[in-house]
Amino acid sequence: DTGVSQNPRHKITKRGQNVTFRCDPISEHNRLYWYRQTLGQGPEFLTYFQNEAQLEKSRLLSDRFSAERPKGSFSTLEIQRTEQGDSAMYLCASKIEGSETQYFGPGTRLLVL
Amino acid sequence: AQSVTQLDSQVPVFEEAPVELRCNYSSSVSVYLFWYVQYPNQGLQLLLKYLSGSTLVESINGFEAEFNKSQTSFHLRKPSVHISDTAEYFCAVSSSGSARQLTFGSGTQLTVLP
Repeated sequence: DTGVSQNPRHKITKRGQNVTFRCDPISEHNRLYWYRQTLGQGPEFLTYFQNEAQLEKSRLLSDRFSAERPKGSFSTLEIQRTEQGDSAMYLCASKIEGSETQYFGPGTRLLVL
Repeated sequence: AQSVTQLDSQVPVFEEAPVELRCNYSSSVSVYLFWYVQYPNQGLQLLLKYLSGSTLVESINGFEAEFNKSQTSFHLRKPSVHISDTAEYFCAVSSSGSARQLTFGSGTQLTVLP
């Protein structure tokens, strides 16, 4: 069990650029979640996958945000045309369906200049 | 809809003193409750959870929390804190729907002073 990993750990970009983050869940976990955490706040749910199916995406913050999990293993979160308000920590978590415990990765900290 | 309120944004306490971090939740259905800890520039680590059964749950490093259904609370306590307990603590509730996403409070920064 190597835990949930996320890459990159830090990303600095200019406003208007596209960014993509990757999450590798714990290998046997079929559920994968994305959260966003802004300064001084708790994480906020964005979307989740069960295997390769994205079952909830209404919480994605705008149509500039999209996520994929094409083979039911790793997932990517893409933000198009970044804005300064997108600066935050993006967290990924995974769990086994039926278990209540989510395991979090270290996060990707995004800074949009 | 569910919500979580952490009543204290910052709690300073001296080393070896007791501490209580407060958490109240709002939900119309049965919930699962969690405390996560976050050290600087790191992700969240599960500290303890209440799913069912005994209302008092404990962690391996001396923290405990008690589920109180009538007061809709899940306060976190430790009888004697250490410098290494300095971190941000988040209370969370699991959704009752199929998504099971977590709804977090805004966090409590615990600072242990020497």
